[in-house]
Amino acid sequence: QVQLVQSGIEVKKPGASVKVSCKASGYTFTDYGITWVRQAPGQGLECMGWINPHNGNTKYAEKFQGRVTMTTDTSTSTAYMELRSLRSDDTAVYYCARERAGWFDPWGQGTLVTVSS
Amino acid sequence: QSALTQPASVSGSPGQSITISCTGTTSDVGGNNYVSWYQQHPGKAPKLMIYDVSNRPSGVSDRFSGSKSANTASLTISGLQTEDEADYYCSSYRTSSISWVFGGGTKLTVL
Repeated sequence: QVQLVQSGIEVKKPGASVKVSCKASGYTFTDYGITWVRQAPGQGLECMGWINPHNGNTKYAEKFQGRVTMTTDTSTSTAYMELRSLRSDDTAVYYCARERAGWFDPWGQGTLVTVSS
Repeated sequence: QSALTQPASVSGSPGQSITISCTGTTSDVGGNNYVSWYQQHPGKAPKLMIYDVSNRPSGVSDRFSGSKSANTASLTISGLQTEDEADYYCSSYRTSSISWVFGGGTKLTVL
């Protein structure tokens, strides 16, 4: 079955970077986009950006421009999201999701990133 | 402030129907049919319930339906069941920024 499995919990200090992975299985990785969405504690969903694994093209939300990099490794069907210069308000659960024609399905299980000194 | 506006909460009794609205602009909800809805239970990842305004993925109950009028999309759940209690989020493609935006989420309580 189609599945996205993300890397585990991360605890980082302010100013550090974090890199979350998202391994896809059950479909042809290069046929669909990957979107990254985050959810701060008790808050709603926020789209961070999107990557096309076929050609590596990316589109980042304006809020994260300059601080985020999304990449893929087609040899392992894995997508990565790196966020730099972490702040306390970056504490959130980060999700990857397969994107198809404007909708997201399925989603990874989520990765909790805690930023604390 | 979220890009799309949803009511913070709605409630209903088992067996009843409820509707959740999602209001945007002509740059997103009103400008294309890339509107989708997601259900999220506490501590779980979101699940796709409706895509392209009114289409249901395989495996989603036909008690869930979607529609759109002008800049407002709606999710209707009929025959409410206790397991429907969850947070619901709408999403739309925004042509002006070439990106996806979400609503702030609606907490559904089944009384």
